[in-house]
Amino acid sequence: DTAVSQTPKYLVTQMGNDKSIKCEQNLGHDTMYWYKQDSKKFLKIMFSYNNKELIINETVPNRFSPKSPDKAHLNLHINSLELGDSAVYFCASSQARVFTDTQYFGPGTRLTVL
Amino acid sequence: RKEVEQDPGPFNVPEGATVAFNCTYSNSASQSFFWYRQDCRKEPKLLMSVYSSGNEDGRFTAQLNKASQYVSLLIRDSQPSDSATYLCAVTAAGGTSYGKLTFGQGTILTVHP
Repeated sequence: DTAVSQTPKYLVTQMGNDKSIKCEQNLGHDTMYWYKQDSKKFLKIMFSYNNKELIINETVPNRFSPKSPDKAHLNLHINSLELGDSAVYFCASSQARVFTDTQYFGPGTRLTVL
Repeated sequence: RKEVEQDPGPFNVPEGATVAFNCTYSNSASQSFFWYRQDCRKEPKLLMSVYSSGNEDGRFTAQLNKASQYVSLLIRDSQPSDSATYLCAVTAAGGTSYGKLTFGQGTILTVHP
């Protein structure tokens, strides 16, 4: 019954590899987000999609490519992983692109790049 | 200057104490304000929304001062279960910032029994 789910929960990989993280929400929300939380616990938005359309794209390296096959799913693919990519990646969703809407977060994917 | 700033703490208080956190924001176009709670190794969860002059929910009171651009969170009769990181977040209403949550770095609270 998890509202926002992410897979995998933990991901340990070598530098240079390509990996994907998947996110699904069953709340019927139109908008989904990817956030990165670094080792200092600073949580920063990376991307936002509204009904499969990219609406927020922060200054993120091109190695990061989000994909939204439908409005319930938002995946994140990372090419050529670097040490600095190690972080916790949170997916979130909200009802719509309204600034008052509550965002609901998934449990996070802890990525460790060796 | 960071867009949203919080005192990172940590705040170590005894059970029953009243504790207050402040959060300042730099974007005067910010329209919505939130307090999230994040437990260790867990996701952030909404604690309170603050839309106008503030609101109260049980032991928690949030205040907003738009003129001075700060948001505060007051916890009365704090409990060990309140131990967590408290994240301040703001959103702006227009342009490319629409719906974008900008977080502060969080304030760590530990309540001792």
